Amino acid sequence: DGGITQSPKYLFRKEGQNVTLSCEQNLNHDAMYWYRQDPGQGLRLIYYSQIVNDFQKGDIAEGYSVSREKKESFPLTVTSAQKNPTAFYLCASSTSGGAGDGELFFGEGSRLTVL
Amino acid sequence: EDQVTQSPEALRLQEGESSSLNCSYTVSGLRGLFWYRQDPGKGPEFLFTLYSAGEEKEKERLKATLTKKESFLHITAPKPEDSATYLCAVQAGSGGGADGLTFGKGTHLIIQP
Repeated sequence: DGGITQSPKYLFRKEGQNVTLSCEQNLNHDAMYWYRQDPGQGLRLIYYSQIVNDFQKGDIAEGYSVSREKKESFPLTVTSAQKNPTAFYLCASSTSGGAGDGELFFGEGSRLTVL
Repeated sequence: EDQVTQSPEALRLQEGESSSLNCSYTVSGLRGLFWYRQDPGKGPEFLFTLYSAGEEKEKERLKATLTKKESFLHITAPKPEDSATYLCAVQAGSGGGADGLTFGKGTHLIIQP
């Protein structure tokens, strides 16, 4: 079955450590996204990529980094520069351009907790 | 700046008790309005896309409608399995791609047996 796989589901980090969240999709979608979800807030866009080897900052990119070396993969690194990294992280994909490009397919999410 | 406001924040209904969730928006040229369902600890699941005022979409007990200022998600005779958080998002017409999506905070719906 086609879909998006995120790992790990739960992750604990000590302050000062970098961590990388994995996101893999087999939907053959060009566009991929990383969102952050906090209680009582709407989803906020961290980074997005519409094509391999290219990505753009979203609304809250500070303290995060990404890469897009393969169409299927879009890993997110939460660096020590991110001041409040505890959150639920969601990876998504969509077709790129045209009608329906706002229809996102989401992974199951990764919950990061800083100890 | 695009804005999306969902109301109520939370809603508790008895099984079979129909109701509506509201999504009010301000956007510079609506390209699309999207409804998603999110179960606890899971990623959102796409439900509907609406493109123009007057449009309606239905899926099982859910019907989404759109006006120039708001969208409603009507739930008819809900069942406990309809319990979830329902998210609304708008996409501005200024650019393509889901990078232009603005999400509301969601309505947490609980259906009691």
